[in-house]
Amino acid sequence: GQQLNQSPQSMFIQEGEDVSMNCTSSSIFNTWLWYKQEPGEGPVLLIALYKAGELTSNGRLTAQFGITRKDSFLNISASIPSDVGIYFCAGLRGGSNYKLTFGKGTLLTVNP
Amino acid sequence: GAVVSQHPSRVICKSGTSVKIECRSLDFQATTMFWYRQFPKKSLMLMATSNEGSKATYEQGVEKDKFLINHASLTLSTLTVTSAHPEDSSFYICSAGPTSQETQYFGPGTRLLVL
Repeated sequence: GQQLNQSPQSMFIQEGEDVSMNCTSSSIFNTWLWYKQEPGEGPVLLIALYKAGELTSNGRLTAQFGITRKDSFLNISASIPSDVGIYFCAGLRGGSNYKLTFGKGTLLTVNP
Repeated sequence: GAVVSQHPSRVICKSGTSVKIECRSLDFQATTMFWYRQFPKKSLMLMATSNEGSKATYEQGVEKDKFLINHASLTLSTLTVTSAHPEDSSFYICSAGPTSQETQYFGPGTRLLVL
């Protein structure tokens, strides 16, 4: 099935650095979601974006819903070791369609 | 945020047996739940959409007779892996979302190992 184009695939950074990852699509989504998954666990919702152009923060995390509704980015500021994990973007078309379309994930490694 | 639980968290079974996995929405009602399978270091693969009170909708390539889904109430969906084989070993995750919000919350996942 369709997947979102998520980049980068992986990142190796030093503690304290800022991180940016993004997702793009060839089609429009009405909702963009960002999840973090740690080994052996289900994805945990970090930020949900419902309006084009919306910029939302959750602690050190900031995400934006692109104006064209075809892209979104997630920034993590001042990374810490517990930020390690796989970050997934997901798009939702909405209406009667609640199926999520996922990116392939960004594996984040933070060196203390 | 909303809470979705799964049970069991891990299960080991013998080849040929059936295994049932439960997915519950704890603080909201969900007319629709989703079942995913995840292979190591891969993204989630949607298996089926579970609809309360009606038949599940399966994705292409997913055997509906092998992966039985029942969504008997607004807070519970079950996935039964019938006649399990070693290749069914995987991480199974469900998700659900309150119908008032356009978002999905995931369960903690169930690790299935078929010997």
